[in-house]
Amino acid sequence: EIVLTQSPGTLSLSPGDRATLSCRASQSVGSTYLAWYQQKPGQAPRLLIYGASSRATGIPDRFSGSGSGTDFSLTISRLEPEDFGVYYCQQYGSSSTFGQGTKVEIK
Amino acid sequence: QVQLVESGGGVVQPGGSLRLSCAASGFTFSSYGLSWVRQAPGKGLEWVALILSDGVNKYYADSVKGRFTISRDSSKNTLYLQMNSLRAEDTAVYYCARGPGYYDYMDVWGKGTTVTVSS
Repeated sequence: EIVLTQSPGTLSLSPGDRATLSCRASQSVGSTYLAWYQQKPGQAPRLLIYGASSRATGIPDRFSGSGSGTDFSLTISRLEPEDFGVYYCQQYGSSSTFGQGTKVEIK
Repeated sequence: QVQLVESGGGVVQPGGSLRLSCAASGFTFSSYGLSWVRQAPGKGLEWVALILSDGVNKYYADSVKGRFTISRDSSKNTLYLQMNSLRAEDTAVYYCARGPGYYDYMDVWGKGTTVTVSS
């Protein structure tokens, strides 16, 4: 099973800041088999990025994804108040597994 | 609009059974793979099971293999998860989610249904 490790566990930032979230895989997931999701309390996850760098429908361009192999990142260029929540990465190159999540909270 | 609506959650004793349903609308049901993903209280997401669009190919997480069965009924546009031999660690919110194909990203999610396994 491919294990995904997300860092940091918590990011404390202010609106307008740049956020960089990391997702590291225990073995290669290929160049495109990685997705990112946002989840807010009491809500279902929402797809942000698939194929490591493709934005899902309706996702603002302040969200961007990059990486390949075992190291991936999600960048939010300028945090908006609605961006605070928990972010998960998912690999689907070998079965399907999720990272443990990174919480982005208001500083 | 594209929608997934789960139902069937509840409280069940350890060793008991429960069947979850997920009603789909707004898209061609038979063209998509569908998964169940769960989230234990205060924890992260765990993929549970996947059924491909053909309704034949099914895949399970090791934690539920042999206890859970995923199925789909295209005449009713509904996905199911039959859960047997339930354990306390199966307590979670269960989401159904749509994916374009084989193991894949999930672009549409339901709101979830809560399963509590407790005596």
